[in-house]
Amino acid sequence: DTEVTQTPKHLVMGMTNKKSLKCEQHMGHRAMYWYKQKAKKPPELMFVYSYEKLSINESVPSRFSPECPNSSLLNLHLHALQPEDSALYLCASRPGRDGTGELFFGEGSRLTVL
Amino acid sequence: AQKVTQAQTEISVVEKEDVTLDCVYETRDTTYYLFWYKQPPSGELVFLIRRNSFDEQNEISGRYSWNFQKSTSSFNFTITASQVVDSAVYFCALSALMDTGRRALTFGSGTRLQVQP
Repeated sequence: DTEVTQTPKHLVMGMTNKKSLKCEQHMGHRAMYWYKQKAKKPPELMFVYSYEKLSINESVPSRFSPECPNSSLLNLHLHALQPEDSALYLCASRPGRDGTGELFFGEGSRLTVL
Repeated sequence: AQKVTQAQTEISVVEKEDVTLDCVYETRDTTYYLFWYKQPPSGELVFLIRRNSFDEQNEISGRYSWNFQKSTSSFNFTITASQVVDSAVYFCALSALMDTGRRALTFGSGTRLQVQP
């Protein structure tokens, strides 16, 4: 079983909806990540939080808004999404912030935007 | 610039066959880290191995083995006596310093392995 838990596993939303994806880890990791993965493609980095501060935003549109309420939780707030935003959204964590260790991934939230 | 190439898009084998997944990387960094991840249909990426650029020792873990060759910039992954449960997409990844001074993790495009019973 993964030690990074993501909810919901599946989400269908309309373009005018507001929804959130949640991620939780209790491994004491201080770096947390959001990745987006389209079908048959590798994961693409969206955001990195290091010690609860946003350290990397890979030019992600503002309709995606990340939040890190504490060291165990990471949210991704979604608003006014487009159908092309349909994808698997993966959360990951890593013990340190130097970027050299392995990432621990959750099972992802599969998002469909109608 | 850094790049990871997994030239094999899809491989299909019959159970008990050995299979090698190729990974070739490019980086200007001298201290870098290589990874393999497995992504089964459930979606989660499962960490398999991490290797740093100074450790060229090959590694074996059960039916899995990895061959790191700095001279050819390759980090290949072999599954011996494959099983149906090995069916998944396998990603090779590289963590290295970019020209911006930031360390980034770059994934290859993945190899889909189908093991037929």
